[in-house]
Amino acid sequence: EIVMTQSPATLSVSPGEGATLSCRASQSVNSNLAWYQQKPGQAPRLLIYGASTRATGIPARFSGSGSGTEFTLTISSLQFEDFAVYYCQQYNTWWTFGQGTKVEIK
Amino acid sequence: QVQLVESGGGVVQPGRSLTLSCAASGFTFRSYVMHWVRQAPDKGLEWVAVISSEGGDKYYADSVRGRFTISRDNSRDTLYLQMNSLRLEDTAVYYCARQGVLSGTHWFDPWGQGTLVTVSS
Repeated sequence: EIVMTQSPATLSVSPGEGATLSCRASQSVNSNLAWYQQKPGQAPRLLIYGASTRATGIPARFSGSGSGTEFTLTISSLQFEDFAVYYCQQYNTWWTFGQGTKVEIK
Repeated sequence: QVQLVESGGGVVQPGRSLTLSCAASGFTFRSYVMHWVRQAPDKGLEWVAVISSEGGDKYYADSVRGRFTISRDNSRDTLYLQMNSLRLEDTAVYYCARQGVLSGTHWFDPWGQGTLVTVSS
């Protein structure tokens, strides 16, 4: 099983600031990596697929990068609606998720 | 619009069974691979099971294999998860999710709103 490890567990950021979230795979997943956003009481929402392609309707302040085993989700200027938990998911070999990064208001 | 609506959750005793449903609308259900994913209270996401578009191929996470059965009725645009021999650790919100239709598009979009299963004596 491919293990996905996200860091940090919690990120405290002020509105308007940028945030960088990391995701590491235990073995290469090529570019088969997605990012999801989940707010309390809601289902996850797809943000990024193919490591760097924004899903339909996702604002340009969200960007993804990386390949192989190291991936990054960058939020350029946090809006209040961006405070949430973010999960990475590999879909190269079956499907596994990271444990999540909570982005909270500083 | 594309929509997935789960139902069937509830409180069940350990060792008992429960069947979840996921009603799809707004897209050609029979063309898509479908998944179940669960999330224990205040925990992360765990993939549970997948079924091919025609229902002939099914795969499960080790944690549920032999106890859970995924199925679908393409005439009713509905996905199911039959859960037997339920354990306390199966307590979670269960989501259904659609996989991309093209080769290599194995991410999940969209997801249903989820249905809560609580296993408790």
